[in-house]
Amino acid sequence: AQSVAQPEDQVNVAEGNPLTVKCTYSVSGNPYLFWYVQYPNRGLQFLLKYITGDNLVKGSYGFEAEFNKSQTSFHLKKPSALVSDSALYFCAVRGNTPLVFGKGTRLSVIA
Amino acid sequence: EPEVTQTPSHQVTQMGQEVILRCVPISNHLYFYWYRQILGQKVEFLVSFYNNEISEKSEIFDDQFSVERPDGSNFTLKIRSTKLEDSAMYFCASSVQHHWSYEQYFGPGTRLTVT
Repeated sequence: AQSVAQPEDQVNVAEGNPLTVKCTYSVSGNPYLFWYVQYPNRGLQFLLKYITGDNLVKGSYGFEAEFNKSQTSFHLKKPSALVSDSALYFCAVRGNTPLVFGKGTRLSVIA
Repeated sequence: EPEVTQTPSHQVTQMGQEVILRCVPISNHLYFYWYRQILGQKVEFLVSFYNNEISEKSEIFDDQFSVERPDGSNFTLKIRSTKLEDSAMYFCASSVQHHWSYEQYFGPGTRLTVT
């Protein structure tokens, strides 16, 4: 069965430091992988996706993610965190069944 | 920037009552979705809708649920006889094309509370 794991409920990082939010997946066939962000009282906003091609994908607000097929991972990264990046981040995967989301990771960037 | 809107933002209903959650997708989008998120749990897919019919649905989307696009702008989710366990945040989403590789744009959600 298709699944997504976000092993960390909470990630804390100091402003200006690099950040990583982890995601691993299990899927049959080639995956479509997505990262979404949710700010308070807002819907999920698309950040970036991997469909095919280069393993490193760049998205909105300076975020990027690397698709690693051997490790079945799609970690979200940013070289220098901002306080405004504080939000709830969701990884999602589409294989041969509709989109499956991880449980989310709350990122807190401390000034 | 165009966005998906949902009404109401919060709906309280009694068990056994019917509720209709409303969504206005982005105007040039063709593919529509409903998801739900029970408090503290994952976002779960309910149904996708394209060309006036259901494309895919999850096992959650049983006979109590239905979707409709009653006019050119609205997309609705109806729960016929609500249960306590239907209490959740319901998100509507839309995408520009009929393919899962396209990113989805989500509304802010409707919080449904069944008492």
